Amino acid sequence: GAVVSQHPSWVICKSGTSVKIECRSLDFQATTMFWYRQFPKQSLMLMATSNEGSKATYEQGVEKDKFLINHASLTLSTLTVTSAHPEDSSFYICSAKEGTGVFAGELFFGEGSRLTVL
Amino acid sequence: LAKTTQPISMDSYEGQEVNITCSHNNIATNDYITWYQQFPSQGPRFIIQGYKTKVTNEVASLFIPADRKSSTLSLPRVSLSDTAVYYCLVGVGNTGGFKTIFGAGTRLFVKA
Repeated sequence: GAVVSQHPSWVICKSGTSVKIECRSLDFQATTMFWYRQFPKQSLMLMATSNEGSKATYEQGVEKDKFLINHASLTLSTLTVTSAHPEDSSFYICSAKEGTGVFAGELFFGEGSRLTVL
Repeated sequence: LAKTTQPISMDSYEGQEVNITCSHNNIATNDYITWYQQFPSQGPRFIIQGYKTKVTNEVASLFIPADRKSSTLSLPRVSLSDTAVYYCLVGVGNTGGFKTIFGAGTRLFVKA
């Protein structure tokens, strides 16, 4: 199947700094990518839908100025956690959908990125 | 998007068949049903997807009754490595608004 890669796999940063996480579709073009956050023992929470060439659509309660999403190309979306604080520590996961047809198809997920803010 | 309800956890033993049922009473006509598996500190992995009746692949079967208000993921002869969280998702893919909302998932523990 198609591969979605995230980088970095884990990152530790100091409070107040910004961290960028990349999500790449390696062998297909993804018009739409999704970003999730997952706390320990909890389910994935959809943060935003990232559309190539346009602004991301954020879910209710997710601060768009805090979590900057850029979908600059059909194979790359980035999530920047600005002025990170310890409560932003979490597991961040991206996914990408191949194609734009009406068939639901398969969502491909990245390996996830563990963010720890000290 | 249709809300899904699954058992919080299930226990099984190696070699047994495991059936996990998901309720999605508000499923829409265009919605497909998809199941994902997630191991700790990894992204979810696609297992199977279906629209109605029965779908089978090399790892699982998916049973969907005629009213489509529920679905059952069947894992034949589970092994210890099948211990994971299983998510049932219901949604539609189109150019306008495909997105995925994860429910709580089912934590499956497979014992030796």
